[in-house]
Amino acid sequence: DVVMTQTPLSLSVTPGQPASISCKSGQSLLHSDGKTYLYWYLQKPGQSPQVLIYEVSSRFSGVPDRFSGSGSGTDFTLKISRVEAEDVGVYYCMQGIHLPWTFGQGTKVEI
Amino acid sequence: EVHLVQSGAEVKLPGESLKISCKGSGYSFTSYWIGWVRQMPGKGLEWMGIIYPVDSDTKYSPSFQGQVTISADKSITTAYLQWNTLEASDTAIYYCACGYLSGRFDYWGQGTLVTVSS
Repeated sequence: DVVMTQTPLSLSVTPGQPASISCKSGQSLLHSDGKTYLYWYLQKPGQSPQVLIYEVSSRFSGVPDRFSGSGSGTDFTLKISRVEAEDVGVYYCMQGIHLPWTFGQGTKVEI
Repeated sequence: EVHLVQSGAEVKLPGESLKISCKGSGYSFTSYWIGWVRQMPGKGLEWMGIIYPVDSDTKYSPSFQGQVTISADKSITTAYLQWNTLEASDTAIYYCACGYLSGRFDYWGQGTLVTVSS
């Protein structure tokens, strides 16, 4: 299985300040079709996960533009430009190219 | 609006069988794959498997292959996750989600809590 390693595992942030989460995969997530199947999901407290970012850097419909994703190959980053109170929860990266698909351990973001 | 509505919480004894459901509405059920994700108490997310309702093509994580059965009935826009013999270690929240055969899950159900305890 492809191991997805997130750092840090927890993050305490001040509203209005930036935040960044790293995700490293054990194998390249670049597909022969040219796409990189790396996703970011957010699970807010008591809720189901929701997709934030797909294919490294594309924001899902309705996701605020303070969220951005970047990276390539095996190294990826999720950035929040200015954290808001509603951004608390656990952030997971996930790879969708190598079966079985695997998630990172999760990064808990607290205010 | 896309909705995935999962069946309610279950409390079962070890050794019992169980089938939980996930009903899709608000979209063409045959346009998306339906996946299942496990979240054990206080833990992270684990991908279990995925099914294409058009032809029931199913892919399992090796960790869950043989332990559960994923199925779908497109006539009633419902997917299922089934166990023949539950164990205490199956205690978890199970989420269904619809998306693509690329790991992208656009919409999620509310989760079904399964508790297996004697």
